[in-house]
Amino acid sequence: GESVGLHLPTLSVQEGDNSIINCAYSNSASDYFIWYKQESGKGPQFIIDIRSNMDKRQGQRVTVLLNKTVKHLSLQIAATQPGDSAVYFCAALNYGGSQGNLIFGKGTKLSVKP
Amino acid sequence: KAGVTQTPRYLIKTRGQQVTLSCSPISGHRSVSWYQQTPGQGLQFLFEYFSETQRNKGNFPGRFSGRQFSNSRSEMNVSTLELGDSALYLCASSETSGPSYEQYFGPGTRLTVT
Repeated sequence: GESVGLHLPTLSVQEGDNSIINCAYSNSASDYFIWYKQESGKGPQFIIDIRSNMDKRQGQRVTVLLNKTVKHLSLQIAATQPGDSAVYFCAALNYGGSQGNLIFGKGTKLSVKP
Repeated sequence: KAGVTQTPRYLIKTRGQQVTLSCSPISGHRSVSWYQQTPGQGLQFLFEYFSETQRNKGNFPGRFSGRQFSNSRSEMNVSTLELGDSALYLCASSETSGPSYEQYFGPGTRLTVT
């Protein structure tokens, strides 16, 4: 069946460095992707999204890259800060479907060392 | 604007019992989705309600049910609890149903089944 997976369950970076979190998806029909951040004790928070007609999208200190050929996307966080410490996970969706088609990855825990 | 609220935040139940969880969406949001989050399976979609109607359902047994009231508040019920139902149950609200993925998550209800 469909799956969305992250390459690394944990990632540790130094404060100020850039972080890259990777995600792979299996369904080539997936055409909309979302990155979420979940801090301890809180629900997931929307970070950024990208549609399949784009290769790159930038937000505030975050960039998402999409490679449809290899079914891979990444989240880049520039100048990582202690407040970025959280679990990050991606989700893939067949656009035009309902929320039921949203498939989530299990998450990468980002730890930022001061 | 107040965020999504969920009650209770923590719950301990015994196997075989039933439980009801409550979710109050952001004011003006008519769609409420429920998710189960576990370390092993990650975030999994349970169901979505919009204007008191269930719009979509995930792949969970019939022991999991829900409803939505005219004020958009939603409840989910799990009957005949099993140990494997121990999880963080999250609800998310959005303004519309369907492909509208600016979902806002609540903090979740941590359910422990003993």
